[in-house]
This record gives sequence, C-alpha cells and structure tokens, in this order.
Amino acid sequence: DAKTTQPPSMDCAEGRAANLPCNHSTISGNEYVYWYRQIHSQGPQYIIHGLKNNETNEMASLIITEDRKSSTLILPHATLRDTAVYYCIVNLDYGGSQGNLIFGKGTKLSVKP
Amino acid sequence: SQTIHQWPATLVQPVGSPLSLECTVEGTSNPNLYWYRQAAGRGLQLLFYSVGIGQISSEVPQNLSASRPQDRQFILSSKKLLLSDSGFYLCAWSYAGVNSPLHFGNGTRLTVT
Repeated sequence: DAKTTQPPSMDCAEGRAANLPCNHSTISGNEYVYWYRQIHSQGPQYIIHGLKNNETNEMASLIITEDRKSSTLILPHATLRDTAVYYCIVNLDYGGSQGNLIFGKGTKLSVKP
Repeated sequence: SQTIHQWPATLVQPVGSPLSLECTVEGTSNPNLYWYRQAAGRGLQLLFYSVGIGQISSEVPQNLSASRPQDRQFILSSKKLLLSDSGFYLCAWSYAGVNSPLHFGNGTRLTVT
C-alpha cells in the first residue's frame, strides 16, 4: 500500500499556480518525498524530490512541512500540458531499493483554459 | 544528456508465444536499471532491477525473466506468455548510489490474446 494520501482530482485554471497536497504522516527520518507525473499512455516523469528542505527546479517547487508529515507540489504557472496524474511517493533512497517506489492512485490534475 | 529507449511501443502476442522487450540507456555509465508493469488503473509494480551487468534482482515471482547483457541494455523476456502478462511495461534508469530519481521510458503496451 502507498504510504501517501492525495486528493483524487483537482482543477486549475491555465496560467494560475497549481498546488497539489500530499499527506505522508508515517514517513520515517531517512525517507525522501518524490513527485512524478504521468500523462496518459506515457511513462512517469520525474518532477522533484526532497528530504527536509524546500526544493525548487525548473519544473516545480516542493514545500515540506517542518514535521515532514505533509508536502505540497507547486506548479507556478500551469499550462494545458501539465494535465496529468501526479504521484507523491515516499521512499528510502539507497541501492536498488530506490526503485521500489509504491505509486498510489495519485491526483488527476486537469488544467482548464 | 541521458536518454532511455524502449521498444516496441505496442505489441500483440498470442498466449504461449515468447516475449522480448528491450531497453537501452544513452549518456551515462553503470546505471541502475528497472522493469515495471502497470496494470490498467493501477500503480506500478517493480518486476526486476539491476545494479550491474549480469546482476538481476527479482521482486516478484512470475512468468518473466530479465537480463542485462551490456552495461546500458536491459531485456525483459518470457518463454511462454500468459493472458495475465498483458499490461504496460516500463523500463527506467537511475544513477547508482543515493539520492537519484528514476527516469522512465515511454513504455510498451503488451496485449496477450
């Protein structure tokens, strides 16, 4: 079972920020938070990951609460191409076990014009 | 930059026929390599991972096998396909070592008839 809880769906207006929440209340101290997204019929795409500190890259920002029990993925200016299922995953990150990602059902983000 | 190639994109095979899906990575050396299966409407299931040539770890018992004949080549095989082998097969790579996210190919849609 996934260790994370996400809303099943969200809508966002094109050009606005999309804020996708994720609860991971049982996260352990050495587990990272990863975000991926999957556009229909394609492989998942890595977005961002973090351990404790907030992270930002060219795609998104990741805000992790101080107690690490929840996080938010922020797409600052959503476009229609950002419509996808977004997965929040917590995972130990060493050796081959980093591949043992448990993808839950994710959040289906629909960006509307 | 690194790229991952996976083929074919779609495949229809009769029950009892053999299977060979190939995945290659360019632009990096000694990557960790992974095979996943995604059933319709469900999450990803890790099937095999490899941390080096000839080194294969199997996560679940099944009708499939994997091989890594070269550093950046990963092959998923079956001698006799079952109906239950239908699904979306994804190959992925990551850097060896810690703190490395997975990067997925575009997948192979396999239908066993």
